[in-house]
Amino acid sequence: GDSVTQMEGPVTLSEEAFLTINCTYTATGYPSLFWYVQYPGEGLQLLLKATKADDKGSNKGFEATYRKETTSFHLEKGSVQVSDSAVYFCALHYSGGYQKVTFGTGTKLQVIP
Amino acid sequence: TAGITQAPTSQILAAGRSMTLRCTQDMRHNAMYWYRQDLGLGLRLIHYSNTAGTTGKGEVPDGYSVSRANTDDFPLTLASAVPSQTSVYFCASSDGTVNSPLHFGNGTRLTVT
Repeated sequence: GDSVTQMEGPVTLSEEAFLTINCTYTATGYPSLFWYVQYPGEGLQLLLKATKADDKGSNKGFEATYRKETTSFHLEKGSVQVSDSAVYFCALHYSGGYQKVTFGTGTKLQVIP
Repeated sequence: TAGITQAPTSQILAAGRSMTLRCTQDMRHNAMYWYRQDLGLGLRLIHYSNTAGTTGKGEVPDGYSVSRANTDDFPLTLASAVPSQTSVYFCASSDGTVNSPLHFGNGTRLTVT
């Protein structure tokens, strides 16, 4: 079945460091790919998305490119801030009688000053 | 805007008791979802509703029931709680199309003792 694999955390970085969180997927058909972010005590919220191969999603300095050939959607940011500390979830969205969403297990990021 | 409101924020429940988790949205979204979030397992879909008057089973529906009497409300009921239902429960909504994001509430933390 469809699945999402994320790199295990927690990831600890110093402020202004470069961030990569790996995400690979297996899917039948052509899903849309999303990154969600969850801050402490809150629900998930959309960070960015890409709906077809080679699309790049971007928001708040974060970027991810839909790579069909490597089935990947890695999240990157050039310079992280303490406020980026959160849990990041990679997700597949696809149709299947309802809007099916498969989430990765989440990667916790801690940014230290 | 409120978005998705969940109540209660947290609850301790004795095993064997029943409870209803409330979820209300003000975005007029057609689709609504209930997920549970457990450490190391990510988010798993319990039940969904594509539109008012219809519901469907997700990945882990056993022990839970839902109803969708109108567009705004989507309560989740535990008829006879068991300790394995200790989790954080998130309600979400979307317009139901594959490329649209899910909008989440802030969750209900439930402990079954």
